[in-house]
Amino acid sequence: AQSVAQPEDQVNVAEGNPLTVKCTYSVSGNPYLFWYVQYPNRGLQFLLKYITGDNLVKGSYGFEAEFNKSQTSFHLKKPSALVSDSALYFCAVRGGTPLVFGKGTRLSVIA
Amino acid sequence: GAGVSQSPSNKVTEKGKDVELRCDPISGHTALYWYRQRLGQGLEFLIYFQGNSAPDKSGLPSDRFSAERTGESVSTLTIQRTQQEDSAVYLCASSLGLGATGELFFGEGSRLTVL
Repeated sequence: AQSVAQPEDQVNVAEGNPLTVKCTYSVSGNPYLFWYVQYPNRGLQFLLKYITGDNLVKGSYGFEAEFNKSQTSFHLKKPSALVSDSALYFCAVRGGTPLVFGKGTRLSVIA
Repeated sequence: GAGVSQSPSNKVTEKGKDVELRCDPISGHTALYWYRQRLGQGLEFLIYFQGNSAPDKSGLPSDRFSAERTGESVSTLTIQRTQQEDSAVYLCASSLGLGATGELFFGEGSRLTVL
């Protein structure tokens, strides 16, 4: 069965500093990996995905993620955090039909 | 509409009552998903519809939960004899159904509170 782990419930970072939100996965076969963001009282919004090809994937709002097959990781990164990036971030993996989500990591960017 | 629409946005009900939640997917999206998000938790898969295929009901937590979808349009999620542990945000998502690689587009959810 496929699964996703987000080891940090909360990540705090100062505005302007780089940020990383961690994600590891378990799936049989080729993984299809996604990041979503949820702003307060809003639905989830798609950020980026890895299907195949380059291990570094670029997405919306300046975010990027690096696929690492040997470490089964797909960490979300941004070179310079903004206060407006504060939100709940979900990593997800699909090996079969449903997209399986992690528990989410709350990112707080402090001015 | 432009996005996935869910109604009601908020529902408060008494334990033991039935509730019905509605999802209107993006036009042309053949795949439709229901997820549940309990407070402080991740998303829990409930059910998946793809075109006219038999739905994947593997995530439904009990026989009190059921969902219907007519063709590639509106879906309703019904919870019978609600319990307090059913309190959660119920999220609907749709996608083009292009296999495993397509991203999901989510509605803003229906927040259910069972007293």
